[in-house]
Amino acid sequence: DVVLTQTLVAQPVRLGDQASISCRSSQSLVHSDGHTYLEWYLQKPGQSPQLLIYEVSNRFSGVPDRFSGSGSGTDFTLTIDPVEADDTATYFCQQSWNDPNTFGAGTKLELK
Amino acid sequence: EVQLVESGGGLVQPGRSLKLSCAASGFTFSNYYMAWVRQAPTKGLEWVASITNSGGSTYYRDSVKGRFTISRDNAKSTLYLQMDSLRSEDTATYYCTRDSSYRFAYWGQGTLVTVSS
Repeated sequence: DVVLTQTLVAQPVRLGDQASISCRSSQSLVHSDGHTYLEWYLQKPGQSPQLLIYEVSNRFSGVPDRFSGSGSGTDFTLTIDPVEADDTATYFCQQSWNDPNTFGAGTKLELK
Repeated sequence: EVQLVESGGGLVQPGRSLKLSCAASGFTFSNYYMAWVRQAPTKGLEWVASITNSGGSTYYRDSVKGRFTISRDNAKSTLYLQMDSLRSEDTATYYCTRDSSYRFAYWGQGTLVTVSS
C-alpha cells in the first residue's frame, strides 16, 4: 500500500500568518493518465472530514482561496494564508492513485 | 444540499453482526458511487468499501473482505454496510461518503461502532 507521511503536529502559527502542512508519499502519485491523485481534507474537532483540495491544487467548491495546494511526484504541501482562528483542525492528505486509496495520519494545526 | 445520514451503530460483542444504513438526499443517488470510510478513536481515516452506482460492483479493503458487505437500494436512496464477524479492531466511527474515483467530497456525520465484550 502507498504510505503517506505527515508531521503529526504543525509548527504553531499566529493568526494572519502562513501555515504549511506537508505530505510525503512512498511512491510517485502521477497516474498514467497524467493526473496526480492527491487530495487534502480538514477535520474540525467533533466534525466529519471535509474535502479541501483535489488533484494536488484544485480547490473544492466553496473552499476559500486562503487554502492552496502544491507539489508533485511524492512531495506535497497544503498552504493556508492567512490563517484564521477557524482553521484549527487536523488536516489529512489522501492518495487515490493506487488501490487501496490511503490517508496520511493527519497533521494538527494549532495557533500560538 | 447533499445530505448523508448514517444510522445503526452501537455496542456489539466480538464475533457478532451489525448493519449500518445511510440515507442520502439532495442529489440523484443512483448516479453516484458510494463508499464507507472509518476512523478509529483518535486515529486517522481508513477507506472500507465502495460500490458502483448500479450496485453491480463492490470493492473492499483486505481486512474486511469476506466479513463486510456493502450494498445499496437506489429506490430508497440508501446505502448499507453489513458487518459480520466483528473484531475489536473494527471499532470506529463509520462515515458514509459520496465516492468520485475515491475522492470523498461529501460525508455524513458518522455512526460509532464499538466492538467489545
